[in-house]
Amino acid sequence: AQSVTQPDARVTVSEGASLQLRCKYSYSATPYLFWYVQYPRQGLQLLLKYYSGDPVVQGVNSFEAEFSKSNSSFHLQKASVHWSDSAVYFCALTLNNNNAPRFGAGTKLSVKP
Amino acid sequence: GPKVLQIPSHQIIDMGQMVTLNCDPVSNHLYFYWYKQILGQQMEFLVNFYNGKVMEKSKLFKDQFSVERPDGSYFTLKIQPTALEDSAVYFCASSSQANTEVFFGKGTRLTVV
Repeated sequence: AQSVTQPDARVTVSEGASLQLRCKYSYSATPYLFWYVQYPRQGLQLLLKYYSGDPVVQGVNSFEAEFSKSNSSFHLQKASVHWSDSAVYFCALTLNNNNAPRFGAGTKLSVKP
Repeated sequence: GPKVLQIPSHQIIDMGQMVTLNCDPVSNHLYFYWYKQILGQQMEFLVNFYNGKVMEKSKLFKDQFSVERPDGSYFTLKIQPTALEDSAVYFCASSSQANTEVFFGKGTRLTVV
């Protein structure tokens, strides 16, 4: 069965610092991969997605992610974080048989001023 | 952007009673989902629904759970009877196609007492 692992439950960085949130997946083929963000008392909002092609995908708010087939990873990155980036970030995948997105456990990002 | 509306935002119900959670998905979307989130933790997949049928469901989708979307109206999740462990935030989501961006509502916080 497919699965998504986010090894870091919490990450704290200073404002202006760079960020990487890790995501590993387990699936024999290449899934469709997503990063979502959840602000307090809100639903999830899509940051970016990867289907195929260029392994580096750009998303909203200067986020980007890099797909690595060899590492089965899809890490989220941002060059310089802002305090408003504090939220919970979820990595997700779907398969090519039209199943529903499956989410990792989430990483809570805290940005210190 | 497209919005998924969930009604009500909070619901308190006595254990053993029936509850119906309502979702108004994005108007031209065809795929519908319910997820369960406890204490801001992992977004757990419950069920997805397409063309009037349950397409897949997880083991969390107990026999007491049911979904329907009669005549293109609300997409509903019914729990009958409720149990204490059903207390959680339930998120409805929808998408226009499989494996594309899924749009989430803000959730309904269900408290079973």
